[in-house]
Amino acid sequence: NAGVTQTPKFRILKIGQSMTLQCTQDMNHNYMYWYRQDPGMGLKLIYYSVGAGITDKGEVPNGYNVSRSTTEDFPLRLELAAPSQTSVYFCASSYLGAEWTQYFGPGTRLLVL
Amino acid sequence: AQKVTQAQTEISVVEKEDVTLDCVYETRDTTYYLFWYKQPPSGELVFLIRRNSFDEQNEISGRYSWNFQKSTSSFNFTITASQVVDSAVYFCALSEARGGSNYKLTFGKGTLLTVNP
Repeated sequence: NAGVTQTPKFRILKIGQSMTLQCTQDMNHNYMYWYRQDPGMGLKLIYYSVGAGITDKGEVPNGYNVSRSTTEDFPLRLELAAPSQTSVYFCASSYLGAEWTQYFGPGTRLLVL
Repeated sequence: AQKVTQAQTEISVVEKEDVTLDCVYETRDTTYYLFWYKQPPSGELVFLIRRNSFDEQNEISGRYSWNFQKSTSSFNFTITASQVVDSAVYFCALSEARGGSNYKLTFGKGTLLTVNP
């Protein structure tokens, strides 16, 4: 059981480039989330999904897009990268049976120059 | 709106000292969950404990203990006889059940704990 996996671990982007952060979970959790963590600011929710085909915006969705075609995968798309998107991105998953405990992936560190 | 406050930005202790990390929350709901996560220097987020709003019993797990007090809206975390390996950022988080959105967490800004040898 790998839990929640994220790729890549680290990436440098130039301003205006696009990329997709991958997230996969093998726990059959129906809820998945994307957060960003900026220094000293805790975690902020970008997007979340309550099941395949259903996504919704979190607190800071601008500049990002998501899709959820399967239970396992929840990719995060960055279009036209900006320096303000330099951050550490965490994917997480949860389900009702664990009283909404979220389990996190190892994170992706993104630097936009 | 729900809110989590971790007033201690940084704490530094010497090994074997006891240390308490404070967490104060705000919510209008009567049903909610509280969590603590640990983020060691390696960067991953590790789940430590979950407590629901109807269970005010304190919990002890080895050197870790948690004190949940609804009267003061606090969910404090104590490490007894701290060790260098306890050095990490610790996050408190809240999940409300309002409107069926109890699957979303609100995090505090975290407390950086440094345990010196």
